[in-house]
Amino acid sequence: QSVLTQPPSVSGAPGQRVTISCTGSSSNIGTGYDVNWYQQLPGTAPKLLIYANRKRPSGVPDRFSGSKSGTSASLAITGLQAEDEADYYCQSYDNTLSWVFGGGTKLTVL
Amino acid sequence: QVRLQESGPGRLKASQTLSLTCTVSGGSVTSSLYYWSWIRQHPGKGLEWIGYIYHSGTTYYNPSLESRLTMSVDTSKNQFSLYLRSVTAADTAVYYCARRFDNWFDSWGQGKLVFVSS
Repeated sequence: QSVLTQPPSVSGAPGQRVTISCTGSSSNIGTGYDVNWYQQLPGTAPKLLIYANRKRPSGVPDRFSGSKSGTSASLAITGLQAEDEADYYCQSYDNTLSWVFGGGTKLTVL
Repeated sequence: QVRLQESGPGRLKASQTLSLTCTVSGGSVTSSLYYWSWIRQHPGKGLEWIGYIYHSGTTYYNPSLESRLTMSVDTSKNQFSLYLRSVTAADTAVYYCARRFDNWFDSWGQGKLVFVSS
């Protein structure tokens, strides 16, 4: 059971918009700690996708965006492409458990 | 562009010590900006933070693993290492080394699959 809760799977057709939620608690996201997102393509290491809630590292398309409110955060992907099919993980800091991750969400592009 | 590469045995027997090294290139483990971390991923599962070491040797471990865990850093070789004692099948996972800046992990190694047999 992960400290941060994500839906196990989401799906969308090419060109559509999908969102992935990440729900925490008052001991992590709700305390004000930033949320970060990682993309893990099949058979590869996770890659930083969004940091500090809404910032994109160099090279990440602006189709990817992040937001945070209260004890939750969201990752939105617009203009869905086949290459976006991957697992997505949220991550934050927890007062008790230190650095914590969500359980991951598998994105399927239909 | 920093690059991290894990190395070490891929198979262990239960009760042995897991030993992995991460070699950093294109950057320095002596940088005061970064914390050198280990993260693992059980087969088909999510990510679990293991711990980190700072260039000074300061460490901080996941409480659930702390009693079996040691990390070290070798600044002369630009490497840092993970030692996990008394492994069991539950420690079978892909082990990643990663660089942490502030609250996020901005660079990752490719991962090393470690299988523990009973």
